[in-house]
Amino acid sequence: ETGVTQTPRHLVMGMTNKKSLKCEQHLGHNAMYWYKQSAKKPLELMFVYNFKEQTENNSVPSRFSPECPNSSHLFLHLHTLQPEDSALYLCASSQGTSGVNTGELFFGEGSRLTVL
Amino acid sequence: AQSVTQLGSHVSVSEGALVLLRCNYSSSVPPYLFWYVQYPNQGLQLLLKYTSAATLVKGINGFEAEFKKSETSFHLTKPSAHMSDAAEYFCAVSDWQYGNKLVFGAGTILRVKS
Repeated sequence: ETGVTQTPRHLVMGMTNKKSLKCEQHLGHNAMYWYKQSAKKPLELMFVYNFKEQTENNSVPSRFSPECPNSSHLFLHLHTLQPEDSALYLCASSQGTSGVNTGELFFGEGSRLTVL
Repeated sequence: AQSVTQLGSHVSVSEGALVLLRCNYSSSVPPYLFWYVQYPNQGLQLLLKYTSAATLVKGINGFEAEFKKSETSFHLTKPSAHMSDAAEYFCAVSDWQYGNKLVFGAGTILRVKS
C-alpha cells in the first residue's frame, strides 16, 4: 500500500458507543495530523504529532482521544460523542514540523462519521 | 500570523470556459503556497505548489497558478473547464516563521455546467 490509508471509510455510532478511527502512512513521514471537516465550515486542525509526540491540541473536547504509537500510525478514539461531531475526519502526514519541510500535507481519503 | 483568503465560496463556469479561482495570502516572509482539490467524500489531493522556484507553477489536470508577490496572490487557472473539474478547491500557505505549518483558506466550490 502507498500513501495515507484511513479506516473505516464510514462509521455510524450512537452517542454512548466507543469506536476508533485508524490512520496509517507509508511515506516515511515523521508528522501526523487529524483534521475535522464539517459541512459549510473551514477545515479544523485537531491534533498534531511529531515523532509520535503530541505537539498541538486545538482545544479539542476530551471525548476525542488521539493516540500515536509510532510515526506511521495514528488513532482517534471516540466516546460519548454528540450529533454535532458528525463530520469527515481527515488524517494527514508530512515530513516533519520544522527544518526543510515545506508544510506540504499528504491526506488520506477520510472517515465519514455519523453520530446518531 | 499567515492567512489565506479565497474570493468566492462558489464559482460556476460552463464546460470549455476559463477557470479562475482566486487566492490571496498574508505572510511576512516568502511563503510556500499550495492548491489542493477535494472531490466529494474524498481527502484533499495536491494540485500544485510554489516553493520559491518558477513563479508560474504547472500542476495536474491542466491547472496552473502564478505567484505574484506584489499582489500577494496565487490564483489558480485552467484554460478550458471539464465536467470532471467540479470539486472543492483549497488554497494554503506556510512559512518558516511558523514552523511551515499549513494554513488553509475556506475553500471554493467549482461547478461546471454542460
